[in-house]
Amino acid sequence: EIVLTQSPGTLSLSPGERATLSCRTSQSVGNTYVAWYQQKPGQAPRLLIYGASIRATGIPDRFSGSGSGTDFTLTISRLEPEDFALYYCQNYGSSPLFNFGPGTRVDF
Amino acid sequence: QVQLQESGPGLVNPSGTLSLTCAVSGGISSRFWWNWVRQPPGKGLEWVGEMSYSGSTNYNPSLKSRLTVSVDKSKNQFSLRLASVTAADTAVYYCVASTNYAQTFWGQGTLVTVSS
Repeated sequence: EIVLTQSPGTLSLSPGERATLSCRTSQSVGNTYVAWYQQKPGQAPRLLIYGASIRATGIPDRFSGSGSGTDFTLTISRLEPEDFALYYCQNYGSSPLFNFGPGTRVDF
Repeated sequence: QVQLQESGPGLVNPSGTLSLTCAVSGGISSRFWWNWVRQPPGKGLEWVGEMSYSGSTNYNPSLKSRLTVSVDKSKNQFSLRLASVTAADTAVYYCVASTNYAQTFWGQGTLVTVSS
């Protein structure tokens, strides 16, 4: 089983600042199998990034994903007020097949 | 774009069976796998299971013995049945269409509470 660790647990920033969120896997995984999601209170998660670095349809280009091996990063270049939310990373392919990290909260 | 909508009872008795249905606008496509993901109140996301257009299934090992996911192409819907539920199964249940190894299109979610 591959364990996903997200850091920090909470990121306190202001609008306009850059956010860097980390997702580490306990074993090396392929880039193809890493995704990132945003979830706001009372809403379903929304896919932001798949394949570690490919933005999903309609996702603004201030969101970017990078990384390889065991270290993956979601970067929000300039935080907008609507970006304050919970962010999850996810790996595909181990057990369970879709495995989510514990999340990082981006707070204002 | 795929739109999904969950439906089913919001309250299930302990030891009973949780049953949910997801209506898919645009029909059940072979482009996607059809998934269920759940989220206990105040907690993180847990993948439950999936079925393909052709009927293949993958289940979370922690739920496999109690779980059935099925697809009804004629009705453009897919379903979840989870037997022998306990309070630990209380969660918001999302139906999701996955592609490219990611959960791409999500329903709005439905809260299911296990309680007598």
